[in-house]
Amino acid sequence: AQKITQTQPGMFVQEKEAVTLDCTYDTSDQSYGLFWYKQPSSGEMIFLIYQGSYDEQNATEGRYSLNFQKARKSANLVISASQLGDSAMYFCAMREALYNQGGKLIFGQGTELSVKP
Amino acid sequence: DTGVSQDPRHKITKRGQNVTFRCDPISEHNRLYWYRQTLGQGPEFLTYFQNEAQLEKSRLLSDRFSAERPKGSFSTLEIQRTEQGDSAMYLCASSSRTGGGDLREQYFGPGTRLTVT
Repeated sequence: AQKITQTQPGMFVQEKEAVTLDCTYDTSDQSYGLFWYKQPSSGEMIFLIYQGSYDEQNATEGRYSLNFQKARKSANLVISASQLGDSAMYFCAMREALYNQGGKLIFGQGTELSVKP
Repeated sequence: DTGVSQDPRHKITKRGQNVTFRCDPISEHNRLYWYRQTLGQGPEFLTYFQNEAQLEKSRLLSDRFSAERPKGSFSTLEIQRTEQGDSAMYLCASSSRTGGGDLREQYFGPGTRLTVT
């Protein structure tokens, strides 16, 4: 069964430092996508970064990078140079069957990140 | 385009009443998803549409829930005979296929927070 596990309910990081948020996944599909979303206290889910299962390079988007280790089934999010505005809930999500019907996202439980000044 | 919009943002209703939520996706997106998020959890998939066709429904979507997307544009989610357990954030998202054919990120609306008293 598809499953996403985020084992860190809460994380603290000092402003301007880097932080890694953990995500492991379970799937029997060969073709899948991995996503990270940010959810501030306002509630809106904001897309951050995407990694396809066949992508050989780790995805990067500005200060966000995804450390994709396929054999270990992990897709950790690295935020460099943390800012106070990064304080939020972060969700890892997976979608199977990239090229077929479907497309629903399976989410983890989330990690609450707090950035300290 | 201003992104995915949802209306209302907040709804308080008494147990047993019916409620209806609306979602307007990004205009060129042919896929529309509904998710439910309870406090402290990640979003859970409810149903999705490709154009006007409802292609998948979660077992979470009981008989009291119905969703429509009549012209392949906006969508409505109706809950009949609401129960206290229906209290949650209801999120709508939309997406489209890339030129390569795969499904990419979903863009979420701000959500409708339902409180059943």
